[in-house]
Amino acid sequence: AQSVTQLGSHVSVSEGALVLLRCNYSSSVPPYLFWYVQYPNQGLQLLLKYTSAATLVKGINGFEAEFKKSETSFHLTKPSAHMSDAAEYFCAVTPFYNQGGKLIFGQGTELSVKP
Amino acid sequence: EPEVTQTPSHQVTQMGQEVILRCVPISNHLYFYWYRQILGQKVEFLVSFYNNEISEKSEIFDDQFSVERPDGSNFTLKIRSTKLEDSAMYFCASLSGQGAREQYFGPGTRLTVT
Repeated sequence: AQSVTQLGSHVSVSEGALVLLRCNYSSSVPPYLFWYVQYPNQGLQLLLKYTSAATLVKGINGFEAEFKKSETSFHLTKPSAHMSDAAEYFCAVTPFYNQGGKLIFGQGTELSVKP
Repeated sequence: EPEVTQTPSHQVTQMGQEVILRCVPISNHLYFYWYRQILGQKVEFLVSFYNNEISEKSEIFDDQFSVERPDGSNFTLKIRSTKLEDSAMYFCASLSGQGAREQYFGPGTRLTVT
């Protein structure tokens, strides 16, 4: 069965610092991977996706993630944090072989940005 | 830009009452989903719907839950007899099915059972 682990339920960075949010997946074959962001009292917004094309994926708001098969990881990074990046971030997977398969989410990481 | 919409944004109901949560997926999308998020916890899959039938459901989706696509635009989740533990944020999502894999989520309905 597929699963997702996000290391660190809370991450705090200073404005302008590097953001690194960790995600590891468990799957017998590489799945499709996603990062979603949830701002307070809002729904889930797609940040970026990995669908077996380029391993380095760029998303919205300056975020990017790198798929590393050997490490079964899909960590999310941003070179310079902005106050507006404060939100909850969810990593999710879906099996590549099932067109309409469900998303399996990680526990989420709350990102705080200090001025 | 097309988006998934959900109504109501907040529903308060008494234990044992029936509730219907409504969603309008993105037009021309073929797959529809319901997820829920209990406060402070991760997002959990409830059910997926394709070609007018349930394609997959989780253990959470028991006989108290049902889904329906009554017309060409709406997608509903009904909880027949609500329990306190049904209090959560319920998200609807849709997927185009035309090779894409990303699901698009609505803003959610916060259900409070008292």
